[in-house]
Amino acid sequence: AQSVTQLDSQVPVFEEAPVELRCNYSSSVSVYLFWYVQYPNQGLQLLLKYLSGSTLVKGINGFEAEFNKSQTSFHLRKPSVHISDTAEYFCAVSVGGATNKLIFGTGTLLAVQP
Amino acid sequence: SQTIHQWPATLVQPVGSPLSLECTVEGTSNPNLYWYRQAAGRGLQLLFYSVGIGQISSEVPQNLSASRPQDRQFILSSKKLLLSDSGFYLCAWSVLPEQYFGPGTRLTVT
Repeated sequence: AQSVTQLDSQVPVFEEAPVELRCNYSSSVSVYLFWYVQYPNQGLQLLLKYLSGSTLVKGINGFEAEFNKSQTSFHLRKPSVHISDTAEYFCAVSVGGATNKLIFGTGTLLAVQP
Repeated sequence: SQTIHQWPATLVQPVGSPLSLECTVEGTSNPNLYWYRQAAGRGLQLLFYSVGIGQISSEVPQNLSASRPQDRQFILSSKKLLLSDSGFYLCAWSVLPEQYFGPGTRLTVT
């Protein structure tokens, strides 16, 4: 069965500093990987996705993530964060198929401080 | 472009009362549809999904039910709410590997 682990429940960082949010997954088959962002009292917004091809994927708002098959990781990075990046970030894995269900991690709260 | 609507945005209901949350999608046909619940300070729990009209699969046994009366309409219901049903309910649609989420409904059971 697939699973997703986000080890950091909260990541504090100062504005304009770089950040990395960690995500590890477990799956015995090929997967699709996603990062979503959730601002307070809102739905989830897709940041970026890995389906196949280049292991470095770029998303919206200056975020990028690297798929590492040998380490079963899909860490999210941003070279310089802004106050507006403060939000909850969720990593998710899908095995596709007709149901296309997503398995989510427990989320990481990115707290950007001035 | 595709859009997804959920209503109501917020709801306060007493224990034992019924529930009906609605989700509609525009701009796409035959999407997969999903209901998630997000309890306070916790991750997302998949409750139901549907791959077509009238086809509902339940992920977690509970006192909630779902229906899909039309291709782009997904309804979450309960006959009698419990305190533990409080949370943020999210509807999502998918025709590709990724899913797209609605704005959510905040349900408080008192």
